[in-house]
Amino acid sequence: GAGVSQSPSNKVTEKGKDVELRCDPISGHTALYWYRQRLGQGLEFLIYFQGNSAPDKSGLPSDRFSAERTGESVSTLTIQRTQQEDSAVYLCASSFYNGLQETQYFGPGTRLLVL
Amino acid sequence: AQSVAQPEDQVNVAEGNPLTVKCTYSVSGNPYLFWYVQYPNRGLQFLLKYITGDNLVKGSYGFEAEFNKSQTSFHLKKPSALVSDSALYFCAVRGPINAGNNRKLIWGLGTSLAVNP
Repeated sequence: GAGVSQSPSNKVTEKGKDVELRCDPISGHTALYWYRQRLGQGLEFLIYFQGNSAPDKSGLPSDRFSAERTGESVSTLTIQRTQQEDSAVYLCASSFYNGLQETQYFGPGTRLLVL
Repeated sequence: AQSVAQPEDQVNVAEGNPLTVKCTYSVSGNPYLFWYVQYPNRGLQFLLKYITGDNLVKGSYGFEAEFNKSQTSFHLKKPSALVSDSALYFCAVRGPINAGNNRKLIWGLGTSLAVNP
């Protein structure tokens, strides 16, 4: 079946512009996660959604970052007034959480470059 | 507090030799442990996980990992390395929710594996 997809695959923007990144999870997956990966670094948790519950936003680095997800479908991560330090790969993952455990499956990522 | 450590930034091994990528962890309660691989310019791919049961877990591409509770380790292994195994490997852990942990995985910083022909 189809995996997690993300768009665009690459985005180049100018400092101060807003960007919107999209994630299409695996169908039926109730949870969706956003991560940031800076060059040569590990994964930095940003936010996760579980069904219709309030999202866990504890990883968002500033109020310039926001994300939305409607139900168990597509999610968008928005970065307002981009800064050069926002340059990174943004990874999305989805999972089916059965109340005990889950396995996250990742998309290919969006590579963001802020000039 | 939950934590995970991958003590080696880089592992070099000759093709055909066995490989080990190390991971140690700290969680409250019994751990859920994961290994992922990231090939250049690609997203992360799930390799294997330990939830409960046999300490030796077999995963994709001939990889396996051994859960060692006394040493709080979950090292990734493969009996015979391939050049195509060269990639970045991430270990991740979380504890059970009923032991006071939350849903978020704690990720290691990654180990770069280079398999030389």
